Amino acid sequence: ETGVTQTPRHLVMGMTNKKSLKCEQHLGHNAMYWYKQSAKKPLELMFVYSLEERVENNSVPSRFSPECPNSSHLFLHLHTLQPEDSALYLCASSHRTGSSYEQYFGPGTRLTVT
Amino acid sequence: AQKITQTQPGMFVQEKEAVTLDCTYDTSDPSYGLFWYKQPSSGEMIFLIYQGSYDQQNATEGRYSLNFQKARKSANLVISASQLGDSAMYFCAMRPSNSNSGYALNFGKGTSLLVTP
Repeated sequence: ETGVTQTPRHLVMGMTNKKSLKCEQHLGHNAMYWYKQSAKKPLELMFVYSLEERVENNSVPSRFSPECPNSSHLFLHLHTLQPEDSALYLCASSHRTGSSYEQYFGPGTRLTVT
Repeated sequence: AQKITQTQPGMFVQEKEAVTLDCTYDTSDPSYGLFWYKQPSSGEMIFLIYQGSYDQQNATEGRYSLNFQKARKSANLVISASQLGDSAMYFCAMRPSNSNSGYALNFGKGTSLLVTP
């Protein structure tokens, strides 16, 4: 059982649908992250939450809306997505302070937008 | 701005042999951390090894070691005694120490490693 879980593992949605991705960490960390991994591109940071406060938003379109209700849970709400949003969405967590703390990743949600 | 470069899109190695995966980086931060992750076909990113910019010794974790050459700004991953299960994508990543945010990682494009019998 990994310390970071993500649901669902696979998601197919139409462009007019609304769905949410869920991430949960059981590691006692206080920073959580959403990354997007598209084919043949480096991982792209989308959002960072530190102590439940959003501290980074990398020019992500408003059709992606994150939510961090507590330090253990992170959501990514999706609406009116485009086919180019199809990708692997990875959640990660870490301790907040110090560059030495590695990030632990979940298994990802494979999203396909039709 | 930080940049991570992995120049090898794909690598082959025979089982039980050692392999080196290259990583160079560019940063103006005096203090930073360097990481290597493994991503099997299942998709999960698995942390392998960490090297701090002020660490005097190269990091080692089991069969993984990091060849850190600060002056050259390189942080190559060495995998000794390769196993078939080592076949995966490998990503080099960096994070600065002076960020006030959650210390997000900056990733390279990755190297695909295939271990052959």
